[in-house]
Amino acid sequence: DTAVSQTPKYLVTQMGNDKSIKCEQNLGHDTMYWYKQDSKKFLKIMFSYNNKELIINETVPNRFSPKSPDKAHLNLHINSLELGDSAVYFCASSQAIGGEAFFGQGTRLTVV
Amino acid sequence: QKEVEQDPGPLSVPEGAIVSLNCTYSNSAFQYFMWYRQYSRKGPELLMYTYSSGNKEDGRFTAQVDKSSKYISLFIRDSQPSDSATYLCAMSAKGYSSASKIIFGSGTRLSIRP
Repeated sequence: DTAVSQTPKYLVTQMGNDKSIKCEQNLGHDTMYWYKQDSKKFLKIMFSYNNKELIINETVPNRFSPKSPDKAHLNLHINSLELGDSAVYFCASSQAIGGEAFFGQGTRLTVV
Repeated sequence: QKEVEQDPGPLSVPEGAIVSLNCTYSNSAFQYFMWYRQYSRKGPELLMYTYSSGNKEDGRFTAQVDKSSKYISLFIRDSQPSDSATYLCAMSAKGYSSASKIIFGSGTRLSIRP
């Protein structure tokens, strides 16, 4: 039974399109995150929500909009996709903000 | 200067060797320290989690934190080919604010030769 699951696993789309990635956790955690991993494997935080409240919003273009309908779900919507958005996006969750985080399997986004 | 520095490697050692992986950091507010293992095309998997200074052992893995030197280590004993992966250190501060975000090192690519 997957703890943190995200869909889709792969996403190939054209520049200018809008796409969404969904994430769900069944660990009962209060905090959820979106991370971006570039081609050099560097993991950079994008957003963090705690109990549906936005806590962390890094310097991410406002084309990226997270949404947390409840504390078990955190979705990421991306408008007007650009080539530079190509990366692997990871969802994660932790019991409390800054605590040990558990990651999903990632969504590999390719913008062509 | 990055908040968390980690040698990217690659590091190649023979099977059975003891592996030492390290990170340094600059933010003295960090209190939680984590090590993750990431296989190719997979998500990071939490290996070790420690709070403040000291040692923690779990099977073949030992995590050490030296807050006075701002230096953390992960030791792998009796290394196996299945340990070949990228290892990421991560750390965060306490509290309910953006200051408690988890910051990752750039990862060390480890290869265990049979």
